Amino acid sequence: KNQVEQSPQSLIILEGKNCTLQCNYTVSPFSNLRWYKQDTGRGPVSLTIMTFSENTKSNGRYTATLDADTKQSSLHITASQLSDSASYICVVTTENYGGSQGNLIFGKGTKLSVKP
Amino acid sequence: ETGVTQSPTHLIKTRGQQVTLRCSSQSGHNTVSWYQQALGQGPQFIFQYYREEENGRGNFPPRFSGLQFPNYSSELNVNALELDDSALYLCASSLHKGLNTEAFFGQGTRLTVV
Repeated sequence: KNQVEQSPQSLIILEGKNCTLQCNYTVSPFSNLRWYKQDTGRGPVSLTIMTFSENTKSNGRYTATLDADTKQSSLHITASQLSDSASYICVVTTENYGGSQGNLIFGKGTKLSVKP
Repeated sequence: ETGVTQSPTHLIKTRGQQVTLRCSSQSGHNTVSWYQQALGQGPQFIFQYYREEENGRGNFPPRFSGLQFPNYSSELNVNALELDDSALYLCASSLHKGLNTEAFFGQGTRLTVV
């Protein structure tokens, strides 16, 4: 069964500190892995997209890693800001094959709270 | 901002009623997907429309239906509302059909069924 598991479920850190969020997946056939930031009551906003051959990708203070062998990804946030408070969702997509539109498998997200 | 807009932003309906949610896709995008996100959960895929035709459907009953118009905007219709339909409904547009292409989400419509 295709699944995406994220940890921790929630996290509280102080402003200025770094943190790392984890994503483990069992998805086949793998197409790409995405990290989204979702503010409460808003739509998700894409942070990074990584294909099978990419090990790391950065977007400002956000750095995502992907280990396709162990099927693990992490999202590292550097020098956190109050505006980083949000849910971070890991999404793994499957390939389109022979008429199949592929699939998106969402994790439940990690809720990050950055305190002053 | 992603350029994807949804309306209304909030809505309260009574059980048994019908509701229509709207989505305007990003300029140049011909594909729209709809998702349901219950509180504390990840989004669940409802269906996708590509060039006015349904291009895949998730595990949702037939009372969830959709439309896509020639300008690629889209509607999600839900009939016979149930309390469990209360959720954030997200629309995402993309340049190509399929679910593994980059998608840009709208801000969502918060539906409450009482």
